[in-house]
Amino acid sequence: ETGVTQSPTHLIKTRGQQVTLRCSSQSGHNTVSWYQQALGQGPQFIFQYYREEENGRGNFPPRFSGLQFPNYSSELNVNALELDDSALYLCASSLAGRGGEQYFGPGTRLTVT
Amino acid sequence: GENVEQHPSTLSVQEGDSAVIKCTYSDSASNYFPWYKQELGKRPQLIIDIRSNVGEKKDQRIAVTLNKTAKHFSLHITETQPEDSAVYFCAANRGSTLGRLYFGRGTQLTVWP
Repeated sequence: ETGVTQSPTHLIKTRGQQVTLRCSSQSGHNTVSWYQQALGQGPQFIFQYYREEENGRGNFPPRFSGLQFPNYSSELNVNALELDDSALYLCASSLAGRGGEQYFGPGTRLTVT
Repeated sequence: GENVEQHPSTLSVQEGDSAVIKCTYSDSASNYFPWYKQELGKRPQLIIDIRSNVGEKKDQRIAVTLNKTAKHFSLHITETQPEDSAVYFCAANRGSTLGRLYFGRGTQLTVWP
């Protein structure tokens, strides 16, 4: 098991609401990436945080936003939830300089009704 | 951007047989190719990876091969066991210090006892 943790495990929200998901990176890792995994699909890159700044973003609208804190933990915020936002949200932690290796947390299952 | 295609989408084998999953990528700048195993309801787990300066890598019963010219890479599992049953994802990125992983759509491997 990796040392990456995420909270909460499951979440049910109503369309239009806002949600915050949390991720603690593996000890020694300074970079966090967020992915959305729809049922039956591979993870899709949302964005990545390094040194508390966004470093790269996938094809997701601005209502998806994030933060990274000095201890390298991170938050993903989604505003104005839509039904299609229902998915497993995964964070992956990595160490800058290790050339791409990313280790995933257990994910947060978000259901939007 | 990068486009990773993965085949087959489902694969059934008898215990003890070998399994092969193939992926192609489009971006010639990609040079890091990890494989993840995801059991039902669990996190993607990094099982093996290969960088573009290597043609093959083995770890016990699993191996990965890379053909840079043809832009394809494959996962080989020998002497399959029922506990190998899971969804396997290939991915690619530029192997930079930071940066996103581009995932294939996954292969559901079922190993029958």
